[in-house]
Amino acid sequence: EAGVTQSPTHLIKTRGQQATLRCSPISGHTSVYWYQQALGLGLQFLLWYDEGEERNRGNFPPRFSGRQFPNYSSELNVNALELEDSALYLCASSLRPGTDYVGYGYTFGSGTRLTVV
Amino acid sequence: AQSVTQLDSHVSVSEGTPVLLRCNYSSSYSPSLFWYVQHPNKGLQLLLKYTSAATLVKGINGFEAEFKKSETSFHLTKPSAHMSDAAEYFCVVSGGTSYGKLTFGQGTILTVHP
Repeated sequence: EAGVTQSPTHLIKTRGQQATLRCSPISGHTSVYWYQQALGLGLQFLLWYDEGEERNRGNFPPRFSGRQFPNYSSELNVNALELEDSALYLCASSLRPGTDYVGYGYTFGSGTRLTVV
Repeated sequence: AQSVTQLDSHVSVSEGTPVLLRCNYSSSYSPSLFWYVQHPNKGLQLLLKYTSAATLVKGINGFEAEFKKSETSFHLTKPSAHMSDAAEYFCVVSGGTSYGKLTFGQGTILTVHP
């Protein structure tokens, strides 16, 4: 079974540009999550998508956005890049958490290392 | 709201000795708890998870963790450390109103000496 795949592995952008990161979930998983791992800040929740809709959002500005496609893959877009956006961006997938919430396992990809210069 | 505190930022052990990585959590609801490991320049790998079944949870690579509600703890242990266990470990909580969101501890870097 293929795991969560992310592309590209590394991305170098100039301040002010836009970055697009991609994630393919495990087959059968409908939920995709994005996390930012910046130096000194730990792992911060960015976005959660399920069935094509944004379900939850972390404390990030609107220039961080994304979408989920009908095949459940997802894109994260970061507009107007700033130097502090340099980080490892991790994507995870899971079955959709139920309304009575049971801790489904979350499977993470290897990440995209974004460097803003 | 929920939170996780990993009590040690660094733990150093000798190969073959026990490992203890400490984690306390705070949650208004019955939480789901996880331990993940991250090797340098790699993604996160799930070691084990607690989801209100058995309080002693066995994971991969000989790791286990015990959920203690009275102490709000979920410490990770391994009887005998391997050199390959050197990595960063994250305690994670989810559930309740933080729907679909994992809250990570700050991480514990485990160093294993020969």
